Amino acid sequence: QKEVEQNSGPLSVPEGAIASLNCTYSDRGSQSFFWYRQYSGKSPELIMFIYSNGDKEDGRFTAQLNKASQYVSLLIRDSQPSDSATYLCAVARGGGFKTIFGAGTRLFVKA
Amino acid sequence: EAQVTQNPRYLITVTGKKLTVTCSQNMNHEYMSWYRQDPGLGLRQIYYSMNVEVTDKGDVPEGYKVSRKEKRNFPLILESPSPNQTSLYFCASSLSRPTRSTNYGYTFGSGTRLTVV
Repeated sequence: QKEVEQNSGPLSVPEGAIASLNCTYSDRGSQSFFWYRQYSGKSPELIMFIYSNGDKEDGRFTAQLNKASQYVSLLIRDSQPSDSATYLCAVARGGGFKTIFGAGTRLFVKA
Repeated sequence: EAQVTQNPRYLITVTGKKLTVTCSQNMNHEYMSWYRQDPGLGLRQIYYSMNVEVTDKGDVPEGYKVSRKEKRNFPLILESPSPNQTSLYFCASSLSRPTRSTNYGYTFGSGTRLTVV
């Protein structure tokens, strides 16, 4: 079992819809959780950070964390074609010194 | 401009020929890390450094070396590259390690695509 698991996709949604991306992790001691976006041929960029149970909203993005069930999700409202990218879930453990990435979910937003 | 600079962007080399990939950041970040990215496997941590002269292994350190003699630089050294080290490499830095409440996410370099033949 991988430490951080994501569905590889592709996830295809129409423009204007809500895209829902999910991630599960195995280490219950994990402290901080991140979502990165990676466009094809580019480096990852940080889009969301969450550390406590519940929801965190930033513009069109909402991150959700449920530590009891060990999952993190990312909702993208009013999806745009420019949101088409691979979304990487990352989990910090080991006192924060190690950050483990999932393999990523490819999102395709159809115009 | 705040950035992480990696060089070279592309490198083709032969098995056994020592090489160094450089990484430099201008943000006075304490924490730096190297990752490799392979299809289906995602980003895997090679080494990380908490500060000058302090480094530790990540999940896939075999065949790699690092050093942190200055805060801004964190080179990745392949003493004897092999074809299974063909990959896309990313250097990343953050102000410090992420803790329970601090958003110390990474800033990534542009990547180095390495091919070992």
